[in-house]
Amino acid sequence: AQTVTQSQPEMSVQEAETVTLSCTYDTSESDYYLFWYKQPPSRQMILVIRQEAYKQQNATENRFSVNFQKAAKSFSLKISDSQLGDAAMYFCAYRRGGNQFYFGTGTSLTVIP
Amino acid sequence: EAGVAQSPRYKIIEKRQSVAFWCNPISGHATLYWYQQILGQGPKLLIQFQNNGVVDDSQLPKDRFSAERLKGVDSTLKIQPAKLEDSAVYLCASSFQGAKFFGPGTRLTVL
Repeated sequence: AQTVTQSQPEMSVQEAETVTLSCTYDTSESDYYLFWYKQPPSRQMILVIRQEAYKQQNATENRFSVNFQKAAKSFSLKISDSQLGDAAMYFCAYRRGGNQFYFGTGTSLTVIP
Repeated sequence: EAGVAQSPRYKIIEKRQSVAFWCNPISGHATLYWYQQILGQGPKLLIQFQNNGVVDDSQLPKDRFSAERLKGVDSTLKIQPAKLEDSAVYLCASSFQGAKFFGPGTRLTVL
């Protein structure tokens, strides 16, 4: 069975600082995708960043980057230069073949001005 | 590019009533998903369609929930009859080549 674990229900960060959100997953597959989604209070899920398991290079999207450790089955999200608009729930997700997604329970990020 | 459309955005019903939600995915997206997100939790997959065929409905409470995507484009999710614990946001999503896009969701309150 595939499970996604986010061990930090809540995190906070000072504006302009850096924060790292943790995610681990369990799988027996070798080919899969990992995602981070942001869900602001408006409830619309927004794709932040994605990582293909076969790629060794960590994905980066502007201020968002991941630390993908395949052997450890770890996929953390780093947000640099945090902004007030980054405040949201962040969900880690795993996708295997067949487009089946599995979500973690989420981390609520607060950005302190 | 137009996103995933859902309607209604909000719905309040009494328990034992019926309700239906509508989703129109992004044009060309063959895969469509319905998720249930209870407050404070991550989304839970209810059903996944590939075109008009069901790929996964293992977590769909089939005694009360049903979904269809007859023409492989838009989809409806129905709850009949609703229970108090069905209060949640129902998210529709579509995907293409690995990237999944979500609609704004329908917030259902069952009184």
